[in-house]
Amino acid sequence: EAGVVQSPRYKIIEKKQPVAFWCNPISGHNTLYWYRQNLGQGPELLIRYENEEAVDDSQLPKDRFSAERLKGVDSTLKIQPAELGDSAVYLCASSLNTGSGNTIYFGEGSWLTVV
Amino acid sequence: AQTVTQSQPEMSVQEAETVTLSCTYDTSESDYYLFWYKQPPSRQMILVIRQEAYKQQNATENRFSVNFQKAAKSFSLKISDSQLGDAAMYFCAYRRLVTKLVFGKGTKLTVNP
Repeated sequence: EAGVVQSPRYKIIEKKQPVAFWCNPISGHNTLYWYRQNLGQGPELLIRYENEEAVDDSQLPKDRFSAERLKGVDSTLKIQPAELGDSAVYLCASSLNTGSGNTIYFGEGSWLTVV
Repeated sequence: AQTVTQSQPEMSVQEAETVTLSCTYDTSESDYYLFWYKQPPSRQMILVIRQEAYKQQNATENRFSVNFQKAAKSFSLKISDSQLGDAAMYFCAYRRLVTKLVFGKGTKLTVNP
């Protein structure tokens, strides 16, 4: 079974430029998460989707970050314009929220460096 | 708000020895899940072991086991017969039912040959 797929794996951009990350969750997983992990810290949730609906976006900086999950499958996270402090690893994850499917599976992450 | 605390920023262990990583958490809920994730330099979070709060029996997965003390809100990870491939960052995480994972800051484990 394919895992959570993310792209690009690495991105270096200049500040004020836009950037987008793409995520394909595990097939059949209805819940999708975007986490941000700063250096030396644990991941922190940016947004959680249940199918197409964003059910928790309280930690998403809405002035510059946006996300979408069309048709309840793939998702895109966008930053515009990027700031130096946005340098981090952006982790996508997915899960089934039925019965024993409460484990959240992560992708390999997208490393962003803003210079 | 739920919080997860890992008080050991770094730990080291000799190959083939046993090491225990500590984790405490704060919650007012009675039904939740606890996890240990391993993060190698590639940055992918890999599930090591999980524990359902309603289960009194401690979870075990091969060389990995936990000591779950619900009243004390403690959830430690024991790695037996440590191997070089166990070297990584280890994150303790809490999750209430279908909501988000809340992570600790992690413990960096070094395995010495």
